[in-house]
Amino acid sequence: DQQVKQNSPSLSVQEGRISILNCDYTNSMFDYFLWYKKYPAEGPTFLISISSIKDKNEDGRFTVFLNKSAKHLSLHIVPSQPGDSAVYFCATTSGTYKYIFGTGTRLKVLA
Amino acid sequence: DTEVTQTPKHLVMGMTNKKSLKCEQHMGHRAMYWYKQKAKKPPELMFVYSYEKLSINESVPSRFSPECPNSSLLNLHLHALQPEDSALYLCASSRPILNTEAFFGQGTRLTVV
Repeated sequence: DQQVKQNSPSLSVQEGRISILNCDYTNSMFDYFLWYKKYPAEGPTFLISISSIKDKNEDGRFTVFLNKSAKHLSLHIVPSQPGDSAVYFCATTSGTYKYIFGTGTRLKVLA
Repeated sequence: DTEVTQTPKHLVMGMTNKKSLKCEQHMGHRAMYWYKQKAKKPPELMFVYSYEKLSINESVPSRFSPECPNSSLLNLHLHALQPEDSALYLCASSRPILNTEAFFGQGTRLTVV
């Protein structure tokens, strides 16, 4: 039972354009969400987070949007760079110490 | 310093071997985690330690034995593993509060032969 889903397994974007990665969750009680970036054979790197009391959080090129009524969040990367090519995981803490990860989206930024 | 250090980076072990994975952080985090990641899958939680005490065990087989000797170190002792246990093992740490980010190490790539 996948509580956090990323329905696009892969995404290709041209350098300089916007990358939009999407994530859906099932439990309306989830109140804190994170995005991680992962290169092959490395651990996930924290990018940005958002609490359910907000609907947007921005950090440099990265912006996360939260739509609680739709149980949906998205990560926008603008402008996209080749170094952004990686697998991106959304995650939630589910109100506990358990970080639950989505299935991941492989982003490829084309030069 | 947001570094979590895991050793070794790679490990090959036989099914009758005993080995240990090690994890160290110096961020003052009092919550530490072991995750397992198989290819093309998300990381899956195995264990959580909070203030050096085991607080979550996700029904992990007893051939995996965690240990937290102090607030900076976390070990995972391995014994009588199966080939299907081959995976990337990730250690993470966080502040011991809810709704905060966790920092991950680079992982140990384990192959059981």
